[in-house]
Amino acid sequence: NAGVTQTPKFRVLKTGQSMTLLCAQDMNHEYMYWYRQDPGMGLRLIHYSVGEGTTAKGEVPDGYNVSRLKKQNFLLGLESAAPSQTSVYFCASSYDWRYGYTFGSGTRLTVV
Amino acid sequence: ELKVEQNPLFLSMQEGKNYTIYCNYSTTSDRLYWYRQDPGKSLESLFVLLSNGAVKQEGRLMASLDTKARLSTLHITAAVHDLSATYFCAVDRYGGSQGNLIFGKGTKLSVKP
Repeated sequence: NAGVTQTPKFRVLKTGQSMTLLCAQDMNHEYMYWYRQDPGMGLRLIHYSVGEGTTAKGEVPDGYNVSRLKKQNFLLGLESAAPSQTSVYFCASSYDWRYGYTFGSGTRLTVV
Repeated sequence: ELKVEQNPLFLSMQEGKNYTIYCNYSTTSDRLYWYRQDPGKSLESLFVLLSNGAVKQEGRLMASLDTKARLSTLHITAAVHDLSATYFCAVDRYGGSQGNLIFGKGTKLSVKP
């Protein structure tokens, strides 16, 4: 049982390049989330999804897009990367808020 | 502005000592979560507190929730080196069921022999 799997684990982008981060969960969870973690800032919610085909904006959505075409996958896209998007990105999923959230291992993204 | 404030942000303890980490929040949520993060690792769920007065314990860690005071505490008893990590609290932004969490900035705990 893999839980929440994020790919890639590391990536270096040049300013203006695009990329997609993939989050896959095998727990049949309805809810999925993308967070970014910056030093001294805790985690901030970028976008989230409450079910297949749905997405919603979180606290810091600008510069990102997401899609949830299949229940098990939640994709985070950067259309034109900026140095301010250098961060560690965590995906999380949840079956029910009463039981908390399962986090992936993270993607460390550097934009130069 | 919705806030989750943890204090202290840095904590250096000696093994065997007790200490408490505080988490104050400004939402009306009655649910609060504690997570642990080791350096370079993901977040591990420690406690889910779902109502006023909830208390949960796991080993040397005990968490409690006072929704009226909008305060949660994470108490460490007889600290050991293995507890060294960063601890985050988080609350639901709208008190709803969609899991839109606001995290505190984290408390970096270092337990020294």
